[in-house]
Amino acid sequence: QKEVEQNSGPLSVPEGAIASLNCTYSDRGSQSFFWYRQYSGKSPELIMFIYSNGDKEDGRFTAQLNKASQYVSLLIRDSQPSDSATYLCAVGGDTNAGKSTFGDGTTLTVKP
Amino acid sequence: GAGVSQTPSNKVTEKGKYVELRCDPISGHTALYWYRQSLGQGPEFLIYFQGTGAADDSGLPNDRFFAVRPEGSVSTLKIQRTERGDSAVYLCASSGGLAGYNEQFFGPGTRLTVL
Repeated sequence: QKEVEQNSGPLSVPEGAIASLNCTYSDRGSQSFFWYRQYSGKSPELIMFIYSNGDKEDGRFTAQLNKASQYVSLLIRDSQPSDSATYLCAVGGDTNAGKSTFGDGTTLTVKP
Repeated sequence: GAGVSQTPSNKVTEKGKYVELRCDPISGHTALYWYRQSLGQGPEFLIYFQGTGAADDSGLPNDRFFAVRPEGSVSTLKIQRTERGDSAVYLCASSGGLAGYNEQFFGPGTRLTVL
């Protein structure tokens, strides 16, 4: 079992819809949780990080964390074709630097 | 520089050869990370530096891999006796400074191909 699991997809949603991306992790000691976006042929770029249970909103993006269930999700509202990318979930053990363990990503396609 | 830079962008080598990959982090970032990414997979952690010292090298797959950061800025990842299985994109990231440690800024990567 991988430490960070994501559904590989592809996930396809129509433009304007909500895209929901999910991630589970195995290490209960994990303290920091990240969502990265990676366009084809490019490097990952951070979208959001979350440390506490509950929701964290930033523009069209909402990260949700449930440590008891070892589950973190990303919601993208009003999806745009430019959101089409691979979304990587990453988990860290320390909120102050340290390595991140990445999932293999979910490929999202937003159709016009 | 404005972002993390990595050189070379592409490296093709033959099995058994030695390679060096360079990373120049964002100025002022004290933390530096090396990952490698194979097609269809997420980045795999290799090593993390805080300043000049390797704070966590648990991801280095074997003793053919070694990394240094002698002055706390530029880092070099060294791979001896390369194998075909070493082929991947090697990503460097940095964090710290005024932005804090939450965000790891990734460089464009070095695509290593071992023939």
